[in-house]
Amino acid sequence: GENVEQHPSTLSVQEGDSAVIKCTYSDSASNYFPWYKQELGKRPQLIIDIRSNVGEKKDQRIAVTLNKTAKHFSLHITETQPEDSAVYFCAASMGNSGGYQKVTFGTGTKLQVIP
Amino acid sequence: GAVVSQHPSWVICKSGTSVKIECRSLDFQATTMFWYRQFPKQSLMLMATSNEGSKATYEQGVEKDKFLINHASLTLSTLTVTSAHPEDSSFYICSAAPLVQGDQPQHFGDGTRLSIL
Repeated sequence: GENVEQHPSTLSVQEGDSAVIKCTYSDSASNYFPWYKQELGKRPQLIIDIRSNVGEKKDQRIAVTLNKTAKHFSLHITETQPEDSAVYFCAASMGNSGGYQKVTFGTGTKLQVIP
Repeated sequence: GAVVSQHPSWVICKSGTSVKIECRSLDFQATTMFWYRQFPKQSLMLMATSNEGSKATYEQGVEKDKFLINHASLTLSTLTVTSAHPEDSSFYICSAAPLVQGDQPQHFGDGTRLSIL
């Protein structure tokens, strides 16, 4: 089955700096890569996603890049703010046209933005 | 759109009790829902895939007789933790995606924090 590795496990940055989280996946059939933000005791919230036919996607301060050949993808957060502090999970899945997706999550990165 | 409701949000009960958790898709239909378990400071681990009208598919190491899953309609899946013990204490969370063409992101319920005394 799919295996997703995520690094680093913890990350502290000063407010305004950038944060980068990296993930690798094992199954070349994976074609959809969402990123989730989870605050303590709450549900994971989708923040950005990327499909295998795209190399990069940006949404305001958040961007994701995908290298299919190397099977790795990264999350970039620029101009970090204290409210960005949370645990971030990358994930990989093999979707199909019916919307069915079995998602494999990375181990998570605890991001702390220091004011 | 794409709201998933999970109930209850918190359960505290005695060892040996069976606990039922409901997962509902409020504004869309889902033939497939997923059940995860998350221990403190750890990632979400997929327990099983709930399939509407058929048996659930369990991940390796998950006891199907311990964690009963029923997906009787396109908007409701239930997870019953039978004869719960302290080691079953965890954060259980479901997810679902709308039944539409193309890949869709999973939407998560609020989760159920289960504490077995």
